[in-house]
Amino acid sequence: GENVEQHPSTLSVQEGDSAVIKCTYSDSASNYFPWYKQELGKGPQLIIDIRSNVGEKKDQRIAVTLNKTAKHFSLHITETQPEDSAVYFCAASNTPGTASKLTFGTGTRLQVTL
Amino acid sequence: NAGVTQTPKFQVLKTGQSMTLQCAQDMNHEYMSWYRQDPGMGLRLIHYSVGAGITDQGEVPNGYNVSRSTTEDFPLRLLSAAPSQTSVYFCASSYRDSSLRAPYEQYFGPGTRLTVT
Repeated sequence: GENVEQHPSTLSVQEGDSAVIKCTYSDSASNYFPWYKQELGKGPQLIIDIRSNVGEKKDQRIAVTLNKTAKHFSLHITETQPEDSAVYFCAASNTPGTASKLTFGTGTRLQVTL
Repeated sequence: NAGVTQTPKFQVLKTGQSMTLQCAQDMNHEYMSWYRQDPGMGLRLIHYSVGAGITDQGEVPNGYNVSRSTTEDFPLRLLSAAPSQTSVYFCASSYRDSSLRAPYEQYFGPGTRLTVT
């Protein structure tokens, strides 16, 4: 089955700096790569996703890049703000047309300090 | 829309007891899933359903049963609770556009924190 590794497990940045979280996946058939943000006591919420036919996607301060050859994808947050502090999860899906079978990374706890 | 709702929010069980975690969505989503979240392990898929009457196993199905009699509801049953099932459980649902042939966003519920003593 699919295996997703995520690094780092914790990340501390100063407000205004950039944060980068990296994930690798094992199944070359995976074609959908979402990123979720989880705040304390809440369920994960999708912040951005990318499909295998796209190399980069940007939404305001958040961007995701995908390298299919290396089976690697990354989340980039620029101009970090205190409200970006949360746990971030990457995930991969290798089932076309089926969103249900996501394999998650182990999460990155991001802390943005003033 | 209420989105994905889960009940209860918290539950304490004794080993061997049974219970059902409820999950409902009002978005007419075809897909529903159950995940468990444990420290340092991310979210792991327990069971999922691609539509009413259809269910399948995920990565960690042992000790759990599901059914999908309606589009809206997807209950998760613990038949005989064990301490290893202490976890936070999340239900999720998503839409699928068959013409797009690609997954859509999964919407997660607020979770149920289960402790088995």
